[in-house]
Amino acid sequence: GQQVMQIPQYQHVQEGEDFTTYCNSSTTLSNIQWYKQRPGGHPVFLIQLVKSGEVKKQKRLTFQFGEAKKNSSLHITATQTTDVGTYFCAGPILTGGGNKLTFGTGTQLKVEL
Amino acid sequence: NAGVTQTPKFRVLKTGQSMTLLCAQDMNHEYMYWYRQDPGMGLRLIHYSVGEGTTAKGEVPDGYNVSRLKKQNFLLGLESAAPSQTSVYFCASSLSGGAYEQYFGPGTRLTVT
Repeated sequence: GQQVMQIPQYQHVQEGEDFTTYCNSSTTLSNIQWYKQRPGGHPVFLIQLVKSGEVKKQKRLTFQFGEAKKNSSLHITATQTTDVGTYFCAGPILTGGGNKLTFGTGTQLKVEL
Repeated sequence: NAGVTQTPKFRVLKTGQSMTLLCAQDMNHEYMYWYRQDPGMGLRLIHYSVGEGTTAKGEVPDGYNVSRLKKQNFLLGLESAAPSQTSVYFCASSLSGGAYEQYFGPGTRLTVT
């Protein structure tokens, strides 16, 4: 079945350093979504990418969707303590029961002062 | 709008006991989902529903049952709780399938002793 893998699983950075997490799918995706989960919280939608090669920015966050629509990345420039959390990518799969998201395993980011 | 709400927030069960987790959404979403989240395992889909009166199995459905009698509510039942079901349970909803963002509830932390 379709799988969505993320690397790395964990990342410790010093405040001010950059951070990147990578998402890879075994099949072509119609879109890729990114979510953030703060410690003790619930996942919150960040962004959706639809087009091949698409790049979107949200302040210090840059999201990319690969040309083949099978991979994506999230890059954070100059991390801050507010960036702490787990970042999930998610892509849709089509099954007999409907079209639903498959979530990656997530990348846990810790930012040290 | 309250978004997605879940009750209860915390629960401790003894092995063999039963309970029902309630999820409610006020966004008129068609799709609803139940996930469990365990350390290092990401979000795993238990069951989902593509509309009122429908349910379907996800990735890890064993030991759980669900019902969607009303569009706004999605119930998750544990008939005979086991320690392996100790987890954080999240409910989510989306307007439609995989092309749409999911809105998550705050979660229920369940411990089975």
